[in-house]
Amino acid sequence: DTAVSQTPKYLVTQMGNDKSIKCEQNLGHDTMYWYKQDSKKFLKIMFSYNNKELIINETVPNRFSPKSPDKAHLNLHINSLELGDSAVYFCASTPGGSYTDTQYFGPGTRLTVL
Amino acid sequence: KQEVTQIPAALSVPEGENLVLNCSFTDSAIYNLQWFRQDPGKGLTSLLLIQSSQREQTSGRLNASLDKSSGRSTLYIAASQPGDSATYLCAAQPGGYQKVTFGTGTKLQVIP
Repeated sequence: DTAVSQTPKYLVTQMGNDKSIKCEQNLGHDTMYWYKQDSKKFLKIMFSYNNKELIINETVPNRFSPKSPDKAHLNLHINSLELGDSAVYFCASTPGGSYTDTQYFGPGTRLTVL
Repeated sequence: KQEVTQIPAALSVPEGENLVLNCSFTDSAIYNLQWFRQDPGKGLTSLLLIQSSQREQTSGRLNASLDKSSGRSTLYIAASQPGDSATYLCAAQPGGYQKVTFGTGTKLQVIP
């Protein structure tokens, strides 16, 4: 009955590697998001997709590339990982097409770059 | 640029006490404000969402208020329980597709 799921839960990798995090929601929502939570627990929006279309792209390095094969999935691919990429990444979704709806979050993926 | 501040950063109270968590935002042009709970190692769970036209929302022992003119929201927890221990985050949401801004959270510990 998981609403928003992410895989993997933990990801440990070396600097310079390329990795992907997957997100799926079974709520039938139109909009999905990726957030980054740093070591100080500050949450910041990275991307937002509405019906597979990119809506928001905050100032993140172009090493981060989101991909939405359908409106139920929003994957995050990261190239050439750096130490500063270590964080917890959260996927979220909302029923409608904007931030005005209640957001539903996934459990997070803790990425550690060595 | 919207800035959201939560004070205190940490709070420890004995079980049964009523408490108030504070959230301040600099730009009053928000569409709604949402309160979340985050348990250690877990994602965020939405607690309450207050639309800009509302002044408060209630769910069980939780009551959230919103005063746009003063840029403040409070989350009131009645008769606190150890299970309420978590980090509480508020998020100010402008309308449309503009980005939401999260506060840095208040870490609450309720001592049995």
